[in-house]
Amino acid sequence: EVQLVQSGAEMRKPGESLRISCEGFGFTFTSYYITWVRQLPGKGLEWMGRIDPSDSYTVYSPTFQGRAAFSADKSISTAYLHLYGLRPSDNAMYFCARHRAHDNLFDFWGQGTLVTVSS
Amino acid sequence: DIQMTQSPSSLFASVGDRVTFTCRARQRIGTSLSWFQQKPGKAPTLLIYQASILHSGVPSRFSGSGSGTDFTLTISSLHPDDFAVYYCQQTANNNALTFGGGTKVEI
Repeated sequence: EVQLVQSGAEMRKPGESLRISCEGFGFTFTSYYITWVRQLPGKGLEWMGRIDPSDSYTVYSPTFQGRAAFSADKSISTAYLHLYGLRPSDNAMYFCARHRAHDNLFDFWGQGTLVTVSS
Repeated sequence: DIQMTQSPSSLFASVGDRVTFTCRARQRIGTSLSWFQQKPGKAPTLLIYQASILHSGVPSRFSGSGSGTDFTLTISSLHPDDFAVYYCQQTANNNALTFGGGTKVEI
């Protein structure tokens, strides 16, 4: 069974950084991209970008360039989202999804990680 | 970026109703469109891809159509489990995969 399991909820102070993990099960991790999606409270879905775990090549949405970074450790089938210089406006749910490269299909999603930034 | 606009933003319906909502792309995207369902507090789930192909395990009461700039998602007979938010997403632009703003289906 294909599963993506994300790390748990995080709370940080403004200016701090954090890392969210997304571990894949039930499929060949290097045969798919991992994409990251943000959802602000009560709002819609925003594509942040994606990483190819086979070579760690990344593509970022311009909105998130410079404030987020993606990495992956293919030996443990895990992708990471790094967020820097956190602000209260980064309060959101962050999702990873399995991303089929040839047709940009997001066919399986992680359960989401809630990030709270507050002083 | 290819802007995606969904309408209506919300609609009220009853169990058994046939509902249709639309998604419009600012530029032509062929059939490069996916539809997702999201329930409160949960991750989105894929319903339809390539505008009209039902994802594995999705009930046949869901259907999608359209090409170019105008797309529709239809639920032929609403079930209680279908009250949720529905998002379209264009999959044409590899470097900017944009979502629509969503349509909330309420009782």
